[in-house]
Amino acid sequence: AQSVTQPDIHITVSEGASLELRCNYSYGATPYLFWYVQSPGQGLQLLLKYFSGDTLVQGIKGFEAEFKRSQSSFNLRKPSVHWSDAAEYFCAVDHSGGYQKVTFGTGTKLQVIP
Amino acid sequence: DGGITQSPKYLFRKEGQNVTLSCEQNLNHDAMYWYRQDPGQGLRLIYYSQIVNDFQKGDIAEGYSVSREKKESFPLTVTSAQKNPTAFYLCASSLNRDYQSIGTQYFGPGTRLTVL
Repeated sequence: AQSVTQPDIHITVSEGASLELRCNYSYGATPYLFWYVQSPGQGLQLLLKYFSGDTLVQGIKGFEAEFKRSQSSFNLRKPSVHWSDAAEYFCAVDHSGGYQKVTFGTGTKLQVIP
Repeated sequence: DGGITQSPKYLFRKEGQNVTLSCEQNLNHDAMYWYRQDPGQGLRLIYYSQIVNDFQKGDIAEGYSVSREKKESFPLTVTSAQKNPTAFYLCASSLNRDYQSIGTQYFGPGTRLTVL
């Protein structure tokens, strides 16, 4: 069965430090890959997505993610974290070729300390 | 402004009662979805609909029902058969018309349902 793993439930970083959130997926072919962010009590917002082509994708709010086929990973990065980045981050995989069957990871909650 | 609205934001229900959660979108999106979110479990798909008058069960459809009579509306009914309905419910939509839009979902602000 297809799955998405976010191994870090909770991460704490200092403001201004770099950030990397991990995501691994289990799927035979290259799926469509997404990162979403959720502020407390709110819906999710798309940060970035990968379908094909350049394996380093840029998103909103200064985030980027790199697709590594050999590691089945799609890690999210940001060079310098801001206090407003504190939220929960979800990796998601569409393994149906873009037609609705999306599996979400369990999320990583990011805390930013001054 | 285009977007997805969900109402109410908070909902309280007594055990044994059915309750309907509203989801409306004015993005002219074809597909709509309902997810349930519980702490530590991410989002789980309840139902989804690709076109009007058609919908499919997701991974956890038992105890839930939906309808899609209009393109912009996708209400979810939580029935008394749902054993543990207390959760945060999220509605989403997607366009799925071209390479750029496929798979990208836009989410509403959610409804928190509490069973008393």
